[in-house]
Amino acid sequence: GAGVSQSPSNKVTEKGKDVELRCDPISGHTALYWYRQSLGQGLEFLIYFQGNSAPDKSGLPSDRFSAERTGGSVSTLTIQRTQQEDSAVYLCASSLVASGSDTQYFGPGTRLTVL
Amino acid sequence: AQSVSQHNHHVILSEAASLELGCNYSYGGTVNLFWYVQYPGQHLQLLLKYFSGDPLVKGIKGFEAEFIKSKFSFNLRKPSVQWSDTAEYFCAVSILTGGGNKLTFGTGTQLKVEL
Repeated sequence: GAGVSQSPSNKVTEKGKDVELRCDPISGHTALYWYRQSLGQGLEFLIYFQGNSAPDKSGLPSDRFSAERTGGSVSTLTIQRTQQEDSAVYLCASSLVASGSDTQYFGPGTRLTVL
Repeated sequence: AQSVSQHNHHVILSEAASLELGCNYSYGGTVNLFWYVQYPGQHLQLLLKYFSGDPLVKGIKGFEAEFIKSKFSFNLRKPSVQWSDTAEYFCAVSILTGGGNKLTFGTGTQLKVEL
């Protein structure tokens, strides 16, 4: 079946602009996660959704970052007033349920470059 | 908060050599443990996972890992590597909390297998 998809695959933007990154999880998966992979920081957790609610936003690095999920499916990560340090690969993952025994399936990521 | 250490950042092996990649975590409670792999140009995929039971876990492509609770370790092994195992390997841990299953990753080990 279809895996997790993300769009765009690459995004180049100028400092100060807003960007939106999209994630389509595997159909039927209730849990959705955003991570960031950068050279200096490795893979970091950003935010987790269970259905449409976000019980854990602890990884969002600043208030310029926000995310929403609608219809228990698609999620959008928004970065306002982008900075050069936001350059990274943003990964989305989904799992059937949000339990410790469930596997997270990752998408291909969106590579964000802030000039 | 939990953390994960991968001590080998770059490993170069010849085909048929044996592989062991170290992973240590810090957390005093119950954890779930994972190894993910990222082949060149591909997205993260699960190699194997441990939740409970037999501490020796077998995964795909001949990989295995052993959970040693007393050492807080979850080392990845393969008796004989192939050129196609060239990839980046990530150890990850999640803890059993009230909700969610966010992963904390190690910094990754880049494995290069030479013919």
